[in-house]
Amino acid sequence: QKEVEQDPGPLSVPEGAIVSLNCTYSNSAFQYFMWYRQYSRKGPELLMYTYSSGNKEDGRFTAQVDKSSKYISLFIRDSQPSDSATYLCAPDNTDKLIFGTGTRLQVFP
Amino acid sequence: DTGVSQDPRHKITKRGQNVTFRCDPISEHNRLYWYRQTLGQGPEFLTYFQNEAQLEKSRLLSDRFSAERPKGSFSTLEIQRTEQGDSAMYLCASTGDRNYGYTFGSGTRLTVV
Repeated sequence: QKEVEQDPGPLSVPEGAIVSLNCTYSNSAFQYFMWYRQYSRKGPELLMYTYSSGNKEDGRFTAQVDKSSKYISLFIRDSQPSDSATYLCAPDNTDKLIFGTGTRLQVFP
Repeated sequence: DTGVSQDPRHKITKRGQNVTFRCDPISEHNRLYWYRQTLGQGPEFLTYFQNEAQLEKSRLLSDRFSAERPKGSFSTLEIQRTEQGDSAMYLCASTGDRNYGYTFGSGTRLTVV
């Protein structure tokens, strides 16, 4: 079993839709949780980070962590074509990030 | 200093040749990481440095791979006797405080022919 599981997609939605991206993880010791966005042939860009369980909101993005079920979510409101990218969840294993495979999101006009 | 810089952006090499990549982290960041990413996969951890000390190496890092970070500044990743399976994007990241995440460079795309 991989430490971090993520549906690779692709997930295709119309502009303006609410998008839900999810990850599960196996290591209960994870405390920090990051979401990265990666455009084709570019490096990952940090979107959001959260500590322990709870919600964090930043503009159109909301990150949610449920440590009891080892479940991480990223919600994107009013999705735009410019949100089309791969979204990577990455718990922090004390001294390094462990990445999921990434979910490819396509937002069509 | 606007971010993590990696050089070169692209490298095409013949199988069996040696290649070296360079990473310049954000200047105040004391931790530097190397990751490898293949198509359709998330980045996989290779190794990391705290200042000049290499603290951990992944099992993925065979004897043909070596990384250095002299004086705790820039880092190099060398691959000796390249194989076609080494073709991937090599990403460098740095951080000063994990609470604020890791900043990645744009990567070096290696193609072994």
